[in-house]
Amino acid sequence: EDQVTQSPEALRLQEGESSSLNCSYTVSGLRGLFWYRQDPGKGPEFLFTLYSAGEEKEKERLKATLTKKESFLHITAPKPEDSATYLCAVQGTGAGSYQLTFGKGTKLSVIP
Amino acid sequence: KAGVTQTPRYLIKTRGQQVTLSCSPISGHRSVSWYQQTPGQGLQFLFEYFSETQRNKGNFPGRFSGRQFSNSRSEMNVSTLELGDSALYLCASSSGQEVGYTFGSGTRLTVV
Repeated sequence: EDQVTQSPEALRLQEGESSSLNCSYTVSGLRGLFWYRQDPGKGPEFLFTLYSAGEEKEKERLKATLTKKESFLHITAPKPEDSATYLCAVQGTGAGSYQLTFGKGTKLSVIP
Repeated sequence: KAGVTQTPRYLIKTRGQQVTLSCSPISGHRSVSWYQQTPGQGLQFLFEYFSETQRNKGNFPGRFSGRQFSNSRSEMNVSTLELGDSALYLCASSSGQEVGYTFGSGTRLTVV
């Protein structure tokens, strides 16, 4: 069974204070690891897909990295508009290959 | 390009009633998945359809069912509603060939 654990559950940062969010996963063959952003009352918004260990992707102040057991979402010099819940999910190659398994998310608050 | 459209956005139902939620995927996407999101459990997979066939089903009771039509639109039905069914129900679509899914804004179901 695929599993995803995210830490911390919540994170408060001052504007401009860089940090990282962690996503640990176990999966029977990785098709992809995904990062989504979710604002209150809305659906998850796609950020990145990572396919293999060593891969990195960047978008504005966000950078996602992947190892064989973990992924990190690095946030550089965050702004208040980066406040949201960040979700990590995996899609495996096993019996559940047509579903995403999500972590419970990290709620990020960026204080001006 | 229109995104994933879910209707209605909000629903209030009474215990014991049944409810049907609708999802229109991105044009050209043939895979539709449904997820339930609650504060305690996070996002949990319900089922996935591709070309009108259910390929995956999550660990939910038989009161939860779904279907997909020939135009890829999908509906999910919950019968004999319970208070614990109150949640945000999210639909996601994919082309079926690429990895990952695009989510709609969800239907907020409240059971009273």
